[in-house]
Amino acid sequence: AQSVTQLDSQVPVFEEAPVELRCNYSSSVSVYLFWYVQYPNQGLQLLLKYLSGSTLVKGINGFEAEFNKSQTSFHLRKPSVHISDTAEYFCAVSESQAGTALIFGKGTTLSVSS
Amino acid sequence: GAVVSQHPSWVICKSGTSVKIECRSLDFQATTMFWYRQFPKQSLMLMATSNEGSKATYEQGVEKDKFLINHASLTLSTLTVTSAHPEDSSFYICSATREFSYNEQFFGPGTRLTVL
Repeated sequence: AQSVTQLDSQVPVFEEAPVELRCNYSSSVSVYLFWYVQYPNQGLQLLLKYLSGSTLVKGINGFEAEFNKSQTSFHLRKPSVHISDTAEYFCAVSESQAGTALIFGKGTTLSVSS
Repeated sequence: GAVVSQHPSWVICKSGTSVKIECRSLDFQATTMFWYRQFPKQSLMLMATSNEGSKATYEQGVEKDKFLINHASLTLSTLTVTSAHPEDSSFYICSATREFSYNEQFFGPGTRLTVL
């Protein structure tokens, strides 16, 4: 079975500062990895995903993540955040078999202030 | 593409009544649909997995007689909360996968249920 650990429940940063949201996973099989963002009272929107190939994945809104198999990590980064990036961020993993459900981490609240 | 809608976006009901929430994939046929429940400031809790024409698979601890899921077509799944009580108040979110999406789930906007 897979599991996901998001190491930081809350990350406060100032506008235009860089940010890293950490995600570690455990699995005995090959996986797909995802980062989703959730704004208040809304559903989830995909930021980026890792399926295979290049370990550096670029997503929407200037976010990127790096898959590190040896450290079983998939940390999300952005070099310069905006106020509008304030939201809840979820890391998720699934087996690389079609039809398997996503396992979500507990989420990280990113708060960007001026 | 890959838009998922939910209706209603919010609902308030009296204790003891039943509430139906619809989840539709608007521009694709969903291979699988999922129903989640989310409490304030918490992660998503998977309630059940649903495929068209077959019975839903419920996660451990989720009462199937309480949360009825019907997946009538490749674009529509419904969740009915039967005999709702205040503790059922929550944010319910559905998602769907499509063929060749590598398990990426496309999420609906969620439904806020408040039971008085």
